[in-house]
Amino acid sequence: GEDVEQSLFLSVREGDSSVINCTYTDSSSTYLYWYKQEPGAGLQLLTYIFSNMDMKQDQRLTVLLNKKDKHLSLRIADTQTGDSAIYFCAEKNNYGQNFVFGPGTRLSVLP
Amino acid sequence: SAVISQKPSRDICQRGTSLTIQCQVDSQVTMMFWYRQQPGQSLTLIATANQGSEATYESGFVIDKFPISRPNLTFSTLTVSNMSPEDSSIYLCSSKVPDTQYFGPGTRLTVL
Repeated sequence: GEDVEQSLFLSVREGDSSVINCTYTDSSSTYLYWYKQEPGAGLQLLTYIFSNMDMKQDQRLTVLLNKKDKHLSLRIADTQTGDSAIYFCAEKNNYGQNFVFGPGTRLSVLP
Repeated sequence: SAVISQKPSRDICQRGTSLTIQCQVDSQVTMMFWYRQQPGQSLTLIATANQGSEATYESGFVIDKFPISRPNLTFSTLTVSNMSPEDSSIYLCSSKVPDTQYFGPGTRLTVL
């Protein structure tokens, strides 16, 4: 079945770049997503990328997709304390209507 | 995008009781989803709720335990029935618009 994997924890210093990685198994994924969950809140859609793209940039966020290796990453430039949250990678394929979520990466930003 | 609200935002309930969670979307959507997020875990899909038809439940979830209503294109409810402490979780609703999903803020349920 479909599976999405992420490392569970990442710590960075304020001002540094963060890179959160995700791997997935479904080669028919059409869209891949990054969501952010702050403590006590729901999931906020940060960005998504269509599978025929290899990069997407949106202000401080850069998404890189290596479809051959089924690897997705989210880079946050100039990481701030407000970026501390759990980041979920998710994928959607052509035949499923629901998304498959990874376990989430807890990003801690140290002063 | 879609703005989604949920009520209640949190509740503490006694074992054996039931709680109904409401989800309101600010636009008409065909598909709504209900997820469970257990403490420290990722999201698990409970069911897909389409207007005008019965909800479709994922493996491990049954209608008797989690009845769902979808009376119109902007609203859905999830009931957690006969609760036990193992039902303590965050319950999230989401809508699919069209190739993205937007989530409500979640309902944090604690069962004593």
